[in-house]
Amino acid sequence: SQKIEQNSEALNIQEGKTATLTCNYTNYSPAYLQWYRQDPGRGPVFLLLIRENEKEKRKERLKVTFDTTLKQSLFHITASQPADSATYLCARQGDGNQGGKLIFGQGTELSVKP
Amino acid sequence: DAGITQSPRYKITETGRQVTLMCHQTWSHSYMFWYRQDLGHGLRLIYYSAAADITDKGEVPDGYVVSRSKTENFPLTLESATRSQTSVYFCATEPGLATDTQYFGPGTRLTVL
Repeated sequence: SQKIEQNSEALNIQEGKTATLTCNYTNYSPAYLQWYRQDPGRGPVFLLLIRENEKEKRKERLKVTFDTTLKQSLFHITASQPADSATYLCARQGDGNQGGKLIFGQGTELSVKP
Repeated sequence: DAGITQSPRYKITETGRQVTLMCHQTWSHSYMFWYRQDLGHGLRLIYYSAAADITDKGEVPDGYVVSRSKTENFPLTLESATRSQTSVYFCATEPGLATDTQYFGPGTRLTVL
């Protein structure tokens, strides 16, 4: 079955720096990877999708990369702000026998200090 | 436009009781999902539905029942609640496009004593 792994350790950075979060997947490359943001006490919110044939995708201060050789996606937040503090989830397609559509990683908690 | 709502937001119940968590969407999205989120496990899929009257099991379906008689509603029932079902439950929808992007509700925090 497909799995997806994110660094479970919280990431603490200083305001203004670039935050980089890692998402690793197993087995075959998915057609796309998705990134979500989750704030405490709230449901996840979709941020970005990157397709297998896209090396990089940008949205404002966010950048996502997709490396099919390393089986890895990196999520960058440039010029980070305290408001960026949240948990970020990576998701990929599941197998047909896993049911549903997406398999989520456990998420990485980001804390941006002023 | 409320989008997706869940009720109740918080629920405390006792072992053995039946509990129903409600999920309602105003978008008419085809797919609806129920997840539970626990520390150390992340989001785990319980059940999902591709359309009214079509449901299927996810990763952790035991102890749960779902139904979907109308497109907009997808209730989740714990037939006989156990302490291990203490969790935060999220409902999500998906319009059924190729990218599988999901839209989540605010969650229900359930405590089983």
